[in-house]
Amino acid sequence: ETGVTQTPRHLVMGMTNKKSLKCEQHLGHNAMYWYKQSAKKPLELMFVYSLEERVENNSVPSRFSPECPNSSHLFLHLHTLQPEDSALYLCASSHSAGPGYEQYFGPGTRLTVT
Amino acid sequence: QQPVQSPQAVILREGEDAVINCSSSKALYSVHWYRQKHGEAPVFLMILLKGGEQKGHEKISASFNEKKQQSSLYLTASQLSYSGTYFCGTDGSSNTGKLIFGQGTTLQVKP
Repeated sequence: ETGVTQTPRHLVMGMTNKKSLKCEQHLGHNAMYWYKQSAKKPLELMFVYSLEERVENNSVPSRFSPECPNSSHLFLHLHTLQPEDSALYLCASSHSAGPGYEQYFGPGTRLTVT
Repeated sequence: QQPVQSPQAVILREGEDAVINCSSSKALYSVHWYRQKHGEAPVFLMILLKGGEQKGHEKISASFNEKKQQSSLYLTASQLSYSGTYFCGTDGSSNTGKLIFGQGTTLQVKP
């Protein structure tokens, strides 16, 4: 496996379910990111982890809970979601969380909340 | 503050040129450019840094006017493979990797 992988690729969940999204990067990077991409909206940064420490939380509701157990893995735990949370969730990584480092994106998880 | 991209959409014939602009109301440290094809992940194209440093793909060219807080992406002799949505992402002087993306410019290249 190379690059950034995400599982599952598609997820349908009810508002009372609990699920988790997984991201893995094989690039030796130290920073990882979660983004939300809704139809006709720009990419919205959700969380940034640098060296396994959360350094950015972009006013995301508590029903989204990130976890970064090591520099290669990133999870997004979901619970009690709303239909407006349906979107493409993209994971990315970069060498460092400092300015000027390009980000490499995974293919995303298409989430539908029913 | 979200950067503003223009135009919102452009249609080209193969071989034609296009310019996509990105403007911010805040002082910038760097501007990132990515392309996303339908159903795929965004792909890195270029970074332009304050002070003039650039890194990215050889076939892509771009400019960064720090005073005007603007960047432009130049697509010359366009190919069918250039089709997709182009996003600029900007960051200030934060060291958290926080990028704020523009709304995107959709480019369609026709044969």
